[in-house]
Amino acid sequence: SQTIHQWPATLVQPVGSPLSLECTVEGTSNPNLYWYRQAAGRGLQLLFYSVGIGQISSEVPQNLSASRPQDRQFILSSKKLLLSDSGFYLCAWSWDYNEQFFGPGTRLTVL
Amino acid sequence: SQQGEEDPQALSIQEGENATMNCSYKTSINNLQWYRQNSGRGLVHLILIRSNEREKHSGRLRVTLDTSKKSSSLLITASRAADTASYFCATAGSSNTGKLIFGQGTTLQVKP
Repeated sequence: SQTIHQWPATLVQPVGSPLSLECTVEGTSNPNLYWYRQAAGRGLQLLFYSVGIGQISSEVPQNLSASRPQDRQFILSSKKLLLSDSGFYLCAWSWDYNEQFFGPGTRLTVL
Repeated sequence: SQQGEEDPQALSIQEGENATMNCSYKTSINNLQWYRQNSGRGLVHLILIRSNEREKHSGRLRVTLDTSKKSSSLLITASRAADTASYFCATAGSSNTGKLIFGQGTTLQVKP
């Protein structure tokens, strides 16, 4: 069966510090991968998606970047965090263009 | 702007009652999906309805889709306290790129 992992689960970082969030998928190959951000009490905003290694599409210009160094690994990064980067970050994968399977999320607080 | 707009934003009902949530969208779609999110957790896929379908059932869930009105509804029958969660609709565009656009969600509270 397939599983998706995200870490860390929670993170508190000062403004201006770097960020690296990791997402890995097990039990499948060549998945589509997605990064979303969810503000408190709001819906999900798609940040990046990837259909293959090294292929990244950015949906919203911002302070973040994404990379896919391996088939089942998706990394969200920032060189310098802003207060507005606080939120709940969710990684998801899909086989096709239908249902997506979500990880448990990372709660990021930037102080 | 977000594709999906959900109504109501919050809903509180008694256990055993039915809960209806609505979703409207703006552009043509390939499919529309509903997801559930428990507080502080990831989303769980509930049901997918394609643009050529009008109604779909899964257990206590019933989803309708009206493409002429660009709207969908999710009905949860005989609600349980465990149904307390936020529910989101998400649309996949007709270009079928795999991207989903989520609505703002409906927060459902089912009182025991």
